[in-house]
Amino acid sequence: GENVEQHPSTLSVQEGDSAVIKCTYSDSASNYFPWYKQELGKRPQLIIDIRSNVGEKKDQRIAVTLNKTAKHFSLHITETQPEDSAVYFCAAGKAAGNKLTFGGGTRVLVKP
Amino acid sequence: DTGVSQDPRHKITKRGQNVTFRCDPISEHNRLYWYRQTLGQGPEFLTYFQNEAQLEKSRLLSDRFSAERPKGSFSTLEIQRTEQGDSAMYLCASSLLTGHDGYTFGSGTRLTVV
Repeated sequence: GENVEQHPSTLSVQEGDSAVIKCTYSDSASNYFPWYKQELGKRPQLIIDIRSNVGEKKDQRIAVTLNKTAKHFSLHITETQPEDSAVYFCAAGKAAGNKLTFGGGTRVLVKP
Repeated sequence: DTGVSQDPRHKITKRGQNVTFRCDPISEHNRLYWYRQTLGQGPEFLTYFQNEAQLEKSRLLSDRFSAERPKGSFSTLEIQRTEQGDSAMYLCASSLLTGHDGYTFGSGTRLTVV
């Protein structure tokens, strides 16, 4: 089955700096790679996703890149703000709406 | 219909007791997923339904766990003879089979087995 590894497990950045989280996956059949943000005590919320036919996708301060050959994808947050502090999870699946395998999460702390 | 609803939000039970959780998905979503999340970990797949059919069940799920979605709408997850290791957040998510937007998660049911 699919295995998703996520690094780092914790990330502390100064407000205004960039944050990068990296994930690798094992199943070459995976084609859908979402990122979820989970604040303390709340549900995971989809913040951005990318499909295998695209190498990069951007939404305001958030961007994802995908290298299907190397089986890794990354989340980039620019101009970080205190409200970006949360746990971020990457995931992989065969398609949107299908079963997902999640990474272990990255706890991001943005220091004012 | 504003999202995926789960009930109860919290459940404390004694070891050995049975518990049942309910999930109401977004009404037009035909896929419903159950995940388990322990502290500091990512959600772990348990099982999923397409309409009323249970299509996949994780090998990690013991026989004490059972899930139903009798009419293809709400779903229940039952844990029999609970153990302390069952303590976790149980998350439900729903999606369209051919959806473009992926999952919507519910707020979860936090189970504590004492």
